[in-house]
Amino acid sequence: EAQVTQNPRYLITVTGKKLTVTCSQNMNHEYMSWYRQDPGLGLRQIYYSMNVEVTDKGDVPEGYKVSRKEKRNFPLILESPSPNQTSLYFCASSLRGVGTGELFFGEGSRLTVL
Amino acid sequence: SQQGEEDPQALSIQEGENATMNCSYKTSINNLQWYRQNSGRGLVHLILIRSNEREKHSGRLRVTLDTSKKSSSLLITASRAADTASYFCATDPYNYGQNFVFGPGTRLSVLP
Repeated sequence: EAQVTQNPRYLITVTGKKLTVTCSQNMNHEYMSWYRQDPGLGLRQIYYSMNVEVTDKGDVPEGYKVSRKEKRNFPLILESPSPNQTSLYFCASSLRGVGTGELFFGEGSRLTVL
Repeated sequence: SQQGEEDPQALSIQEGENATMNCSYKTSINNLQWYRQNSGRGLVHLILIRSNEREKHSGRLRVTLDTSKKSSSLLITASRAADTASYFCATDPYNYGQNFVFGPGTRLSVLP
């Protein structure tokens, strides 16, 4: 089954404790992206990757890091989480860049930073 | 400000009625997409309409695109309780294939 898998789905952590949210897709997609969703603000792009070893900042990259060492994986790293990073996070992928076809989303990772 | 803005922010209708949501955007686009999100879940792609298309149908969904007004509408006919969700339009404002911009969404409630 074609899917984007995120882990963990739910996480409560404390300020400053490094964490990684994993994302994996099994569709051989070139493009992957991370979004955060906050009430009243919709979805905002954090980082994206057009292909392996190619990553770039989205609209709200501060406080986040990503890597794309393999085509299928695109982890989101919070080196020193802060309460303003409490949010619902989505990983998404598409065959090539956005707009060329549909974007497939993971089920989301709800992060709370205390 | 965001590239896509949906209108209305919230809509409540009875089962069987039609629901219309609108989206406005700011830049020239190659295509526009609509997505649905059930509460707290991942977004699901509904339909893509290209800039050279004016109308597109998929089941009970009808999407129109007016590039001169930079606007699109999503019509759901004969709505069902299962259509209760948030609906987002999405565009690639620079047509580079890099950044998809979503509007804040329309929250649709279909009452049984």
